[in-house]
Formats: sequence, C-alpha cells, structure tokens
Amino acid sequence: GAGVSQSPSNKVTEKGKDVELRCDPISGHTALYWYRQSLGQGLEFLIYFQGNSAPDKSGLPSDRFSAERTGGSVSTLTIQRTQQEDSAVYLCASSLGTGGVQYFGPGTRLTVT
Amino acid sequence: KQEVTQIPAALSVPEGENLVLNCSFTDSAIYNLQWFRQDPGKGLTSLLLIQSSQREQTSGRLNASLDKSSGRSTLYIAASQPGDSATYLCALRGGGATNKLIFGTGTLLAVQP
Repeated sequence: GAGVSQSPSNKVTEKGKDVELRCDPISGHTALYWYRQSLGQGLEFLIYFQGNSAPDKSGLPSDRFSAERTGGSVSTLTIQRTQQEDSAVYLCASSLGTGGVQYFGPGTRLTVT
Repeated sequence: KQEVTQIPAALSVPEGENLVLNCSFTDSAIYNLQWFRQDPGKGLTSLLLIQSSQREQTSGRLNASLDKSSGRSTLYIAASQPGDSATYLCALRGGGATNKLIFGTGTLLAVQP
C-alpha cells in the first residue's frame, strides 16, 4: 500500500466497553509502533514490534491495554474496560527496520463517553 | 529521564519570512532526531531525520541541525508559505536498545498570507 492505514478513523464508545484499533503498516516494514496523543500528555509511546522479537511493551499505561501483530504485518491494539482518560488519538507507525524513519498513519480518534 | 522541550509553543509569521523552531533535550545519548509536521486531524509527516553522527540535514526549504553536546536541534524554514502552517514536532530515538521515539511538546506555526 501507499502508506500506513488505520481503522476506524473515529470510535465513540461507552465507558467499560472493550475496543479494538487496527493498523496496516507499509508492506515490507518489519518494525511497527503504537503511540497515543492526548491533550494533557502530548505524544507517548505505547508498544513496539520488531520482526519475531518479543515486543517492547514498556509504554502501555495499564494491563487493560494489549496489542498483537499477526503474521508480521497487521497489528491490533485492544483496550479493555475503557475509561474516559483513554480518550485520545491512537497513532500507528512503521519503519523499514530498527532506527529508520517512522511513517505514521492518520490515527484513530477514540472518545470514551 | 529524557525530556524534550520545544520553544516557542506557538508562532505566527507573515508569508515570506525565514524562521527557526527550537528543540532542546536533556540527555545527549541519542541515536537520531526526527522532525515531523502534523496537520489538524491528520497523522505525522516525517520531514527530516538526523543521525547522531550528523550535524545537519537539508530538504528543499528546510534545514535541520543537531548539536548533541548542547542538547539542541533547530528546524530552519526559509521563505515561509501559508502551506507551512502546521504543528511541528521533534522526536528523539534514545541510545541503546530502545526504539521508541520521545516527542517534544510541539510548536504550532501559523504563516499569514
């Protein structure tokens, strides 16, 4: 594909519900990242996948957050029992390898009511 | 803990002016530094990436410099245009095994026609 794609572009959910956000990285990119952008916190790293290595989950804010990457391509970020403070724009990025330019998707705007 | 600050937080200039955006960081042990622009409701677009061994990178009207010893990077925009209006973010990749980007606070630029 031409770039990183994310779906949905917008998601409104009720507090306590689970949500899944999807990221399709650029074809051939082995590294995939999730970030969160919120008004109070700026842009924060969440999780990083590189090839078949164990993911770096050091940025996940709580155990309600998890992510997986299937077949080294598509990734899903899951937030369980959503809270209002989870409201943010969730951005996905991919890069050709470690340390390369990260290309970002358009993001998913999550609103928890 | 690495902290990244951008000054000014907001800037308004008339079309045609040259301008400089500043990014400062507290830990000089970085792998690379990347400048992005973000348009409202959109993802991030990578502008320039400077490796830690480099002093500057240029692309068109943009020039980014890096001075690790003083913990500073600047983004110079020549002959600004209204289309340059956006939020500009600098991001560091820390040294060592980490691959996450640590983002600055951003500068909101408005170029008046």
